[in-house]
Amino acid sequence: DGGITQSPKYLFRKEGQNVTLSCEQNLNHDAMYWYRQDPGQGLRLIYYSQIVNDFQKGDIAEGYSVSREKKESFPLTVTSAQKNPTAFYLCASSILTGAGTGELFFGEGSRLTVL
Amino acid sequence: KNQVEQSPQSLIILEGKNCTLQCNYTVSPFSNLRWYKQDTGRGPVSLTIMTFSENTKSNGRYTATLDADTKQSSLHITASQLSDSASYICVVSAAQAGTALIFGKGTTLSVSS
Repeated sequence: DGGITQSPKYLFRKEGQNVTLSCEQNLNHDAMYWYRQDPGQGLRLIYYSQIVNDFQKGDIAEGYSVSREKKESFPLTVTSAQKNPTAFYLCASSILTGAGTGELFFGEGSRLTVL
Repeated sequence: KNQVEQSPQSLIILEGKNCTLQCNYTVSPFSNLRWYKQDTGRGPVSLTIMTFSENTKSNGRYTATLDADTKQSSLHITASQLSDSASYICVVSAAQAGTALIFGKGTTLSVSS
């Protein structure tokens, strides 16, 4: 079935470590996104990519990095520079329309906890 | 400033009852409004997408309405089921380049038996 796969679902990290969250989609969507979700807050955009080998910072990009070497893959690295990384991370993809973002399809999320 | 406000923040209803969730927005220029359902610990799933010209859109027991003049939307759930317990997120898309999606904080619905 077509969809978005995120891994791992749960991840624990010690302070000072970098971790990478995986996101793979087989929907043939051009655009992919990373969001962060914290309790009581709306989703906040970290990074997005509309084409291979190109990506743009979102509202809270500091302390994160991404790559888009393949259309299907958009991994997110949470670096040690991210001061409060404990959160629920959501990857999404969409087609691109003339009026902006098409319908978002989300993965199941990755919960990162810093010990 | 583009904002999306949802109310109530949380809601508890008995199984079988109806309920209505509200979404007010100040996004301009407006492109479309989306409602998502997010089960605890899962990714959001799309319920409806409404453009400027659509007043009502249904998806099973879920009916969304949009009043573009007053910039208000509602999500009505009919004959609630225990599986409706989730967070419901309103998202407004601005008609501009880039992502331009503004997320509400969500309404947490609990359906009890």
